[in-house]
Amino acid sequence: ETGVTQSPTHLIKTRGQQVTLRCSSQSGHNTVSWYQQALGQGPQFIFQYYREEENGRGNFPPRFSGLQFPNYSSELNVNALELDDSALYLCASGWDTGELFFGEGSRLTVL
Amino acid sequence: GENVEQHPSTLSVQEGDSAVIKCTYSDSASNYFPWYKQELGKRPQLIIDIRSNVGEKKDQRIAVTLNKTAKHFSLHITETQPEDSAVYFCASSGGYQKVTFGTGTKLQVIP
Repeated sequence: ETGVTQSPTHLIKTRGQQVTLRCSSQSGHNTVSWYQQALGQGPQFIFQYYREEENGRGNFPPRFSGLQFPNYSSELNVNALELDDSALYLCASGWDTGELFFGEGSRLTVL
Repeated sequence: GENVEQHPSTLSVQEGDSAVIKCTYSDSASNYFPWYKQELGKRPQLIIDIRSNVGEKKDQRIAVTLNKTAKHFSLHITETQPEDSAVYFCASSGGYQKVTFGTGTKLQVIP
């Protein structure tokens, strides 16, 4: 177990809706990042938060946004959902040295 | 940005044989190279990692080698067991949690 928990585990949305995914990081970790894993592919980096500030972003549009809170929790928000947003969304916490400790993920289906 | 190529995409070995997965990376600034194992429907799990100041690292049946000059790194699994069957991802990072993943290798160990 990594100590990283995510909710919800599964959800279904329709195109155009908005979704919020939540993550509770392992205590003591100062960095949290979010990854999108489409079926049959490797995880793709969305963004990273260090001490509650976004300090790195992958090739994702602004409708993907996030927050990190002082209590080690984090959330990922996606607006104007598209069919291609269907994927497993992974939260990972750790330190600023690269190690990732993943949660079990939230599987989003957009219809 | 960083690009990580991984080969082969699928690999079948007999139980007890060795398995080798190879990756190349493009960004010479990358200094951290983790390997993840992902079982079906589960989160990626870190199995071994290596930093750029080390050429080889071993942990029981798993070893990783790094050739910085050629920008190659490899995962070696000896005495494979059926429970080693999974998808393996190589990855690279230049710091923090922005990790670039390879496309994955589906390893099947045949009893």
